[in-house]
Amino acid sequence: GENVEQHPSTLSVQEGDSAVIKCTYSDSASNYFPWYKQELGKGPQLIIDIRSNVGEKKDQRIAVTLNKTAKHFSLHITETQPEDSAVYFCAASIGGSQGNLIFGKGTKLSVKP
Amino acid sequence: SQTIHQWPATLVQPVGSPLSLECTVEGTSNPNLYWYRQAAGRGLQLLFYSVGIGQISSEVPQNLSASRPQDRQFILSSKKLLLSDSGFYLCAWSDGGEAFFGQGTRLTVV
Repeated sequence: GENVEQHPSTLSVQEGDSAVIKCTYSDSASNYFPWYKQELGKGPQLIIDIRSNVGEKKDQRIAVTLNKTAKHFSLHITETQPEDSAVYFCAASIGGSQGNLIFGKGTKLSVKP
Repeated sequence: SQTIHQWPATLVQPVGSPLSLECTVEGTSNPNLYWYRQAAGRGLQLLFYSVGIGQISSEVPQNLSASRPQDRQFILSSKKLLLSDSGFYLCAWSDGGEAFFGQGTRLTVV
């Protein structure tokens, strides 16, 4: 079946450094790639997304890049802060339907002050 | 604005007991509705999705079922819980774009 691989599973960085999380997907029909941030005991919240007709998108300290040929996309967080500490999930739409998402296993990001 | 409500937040149930988790959405019509389960180290697994009243699609075979009795109400049920049903259950909705999640239910089967 279709799947999304996410790496690394844990990531520890010093405050102010950059963090990069990478995902690969298998469904060539996927055209929507959101990233979610999940704080402890809460539901995931969308932080940024990208569609297949765009190669890069940036929102303040967060950016996402997409390489459709290689079927991978990445989340970049610059100037990390302790409040960035959370679990981050990438996702890819299934079969061209943006409403059905398949998720990676998550990356636990720890930002040390 | 749209909001999603999911309850209860935590639940401890004995093996063999029934389950009913409820999710409601406000501020939108005919949303796509989803139930996900989150197990440690395994990400978010799609259990059920619904594109309309009475329309339920199951993604994985399991001990659970889902129903959508009203446009903005989605219910996750089980007749007899198993230990393996323990986990964090998340309801979500979308209008075909991003998914919006509820706060989740931590279910512990003992």
